[in-house]
Amino acid sequence: DAGVTQSPTHLIKTRGQHVTLRCSPISGHKSVSWYQQVLGQGPQFIFQYYEKEERGRGNFPDRFSARQFPNYSSELNVNALLLGDSALYLCASSLRTSSYDSNQPQHFGDGTRLSIL
Amino acid sequence: AQKVTQAQTEISVVEKEDVTLDCVYETRDTTYYLFWYKQPPSGELVFLIRRNSFDEQNEISGRYSWNFQKSTSSFNFTITASQVVDSAVYFCALRNGGSQGNLIFGKGTKLSVKP
Repeated sequence: DAGVTQSPTHLIKTRGQHVTLRCSPISGHKSVSWYQQVLGQGPQFIFQYYEKEERGRGNFPDRFSARQFPNYSSELNVNALLLGDSALYLCASSLRTSSYDSNQPQHFGDGTRLSIL
Repeated sequence: AQKVTQAQTEISVVEKEDVTLDCVYETRDTTYYLFWYKQPPSGELVFLIRRNSFDEQNEISGRYSWNFQKSTSSFNFTITASQVVDSAVYFCALRNGGSQGNLIFGKGTKLSVKP
């Protein structure tokens, strides 16, 4: 079975531009989360979606937005890119059976490495 | 506040040595979940184990073992007879019960196993 897939693998943008990152969850997983991992740090939570609704949001500015589609895939959008947005963006999916089912492990994709020049 | 601390930034061992990675967590919740993930150079986070706050039983899986102690808020990870393929960054993570799903990660411990 395919794991979590993310595209693109690498991306180079300049300051002020906009970027869209994509994620396909493991088949049967309805919950998708996004994390930002800056070099040398642990991942930081950005968003979580379950059944196409936003269920959680981390401490990130409004330049970051996301959505989940009927097939449970997801997009992360970042506007007005800053140098500090350079990071590995990780998508994770989990087999979640209710709105508050927090004990399911999240399975991560390989990430999108975003570089801002 | 919720927090995960991995005090060891980098560890280097020689193959076949045993190594323990430390993890200390902080949370006010009585129900929470602890996780360990492995991140090889390719970048993907690989799930290793989940432990519930109400289950302090230690677990062994092959060369891996985990020691969960609520009294010291620790969830340590031991690799026995380390191998070169164990070289990676290891993350400990916390999720509170009822949380909408976000994991709180430590800063990670980079393990280098030399032949």
